Amino acid sequence: SQQGEEDPQALSIQEGENATMNCSYKTSINNLQWYRQNSGRGLVHLILIRSNEREKHSGRLRVTLDTSKKSSSLLITASRAADTASYFCAPDTGRRALTFGSGTRLQVQP
Amino acid sequence: DAGVIQSPRHEVTEMGQEVTLRCKPISGHDYLFWYRQTMMRGLELLIYFNNNVPIDDSGMPEDRFSAKMPNASFSTLKIQPSEPRDSAVYFCASSPPGTPHEQYFGPGTRLTVT
Repeated sequence: SQQGEEDPQALSIQEGENATMNCSYKTSINNLQWYRQNSGRGLVHLILIRSNEREKHSGRLRVTLDTSKKSSSLLITASRAADTASYFCAPDTGRRALTFGSGTRLQVQP
Repeated sequence: DAGVIQSPRHEVTEMGQEVTLRCKPISGHDYLFWYRQTMMRGLELLIYFNNNVPIDDSGMPEDRFSAKMPNASFSTLKIQPSEPRDSAVYFCASSPPGTPHEQYFGPGTRLTVT
């Protein structure tokens, strides 16, 4: 399957804490992408990490990739209530179409 | 840029009626995707186009569903006849040429079939 599986399914933290969510996949990839979906909205592309990269930062986001373990993690530091959303990983195998898993539902309590 | 535009944003129809969802991709993007999202099944890819040509429609659930892309700036997803189980949020997304293959999603159309 080209689908990524996110873990945990749900995560609840306090504002200011860090949030870590994980993604596992089964096939070789060109890159792996993370998306956010706020309630009632479309997905928004957050960050992409290429297969030859191990870590990437963008603002408060930090993504790691371990191709040997076929896993990735997304860390959101100093979380805010506005970070409340569902987060999806999408392994890009070069097929062009992405397959999304069930996502991690993050709740940040103010 | 206005982003991906979808219309209508909400659609309520009765079982058996024809429903047409519309999408305008971002200018210059050569890939267009249609997804369906439900609580039970998550986000499912229905069909995608490249340069207006359907590439993979294996996700289209039944013959009641059809999609067209008559030109680079417009696509439709049609359900005829509609059934209550078609109730979902339908998203359109587009992707620029080349790599990497990030996708840009529209706001979605919430379809309710009664």
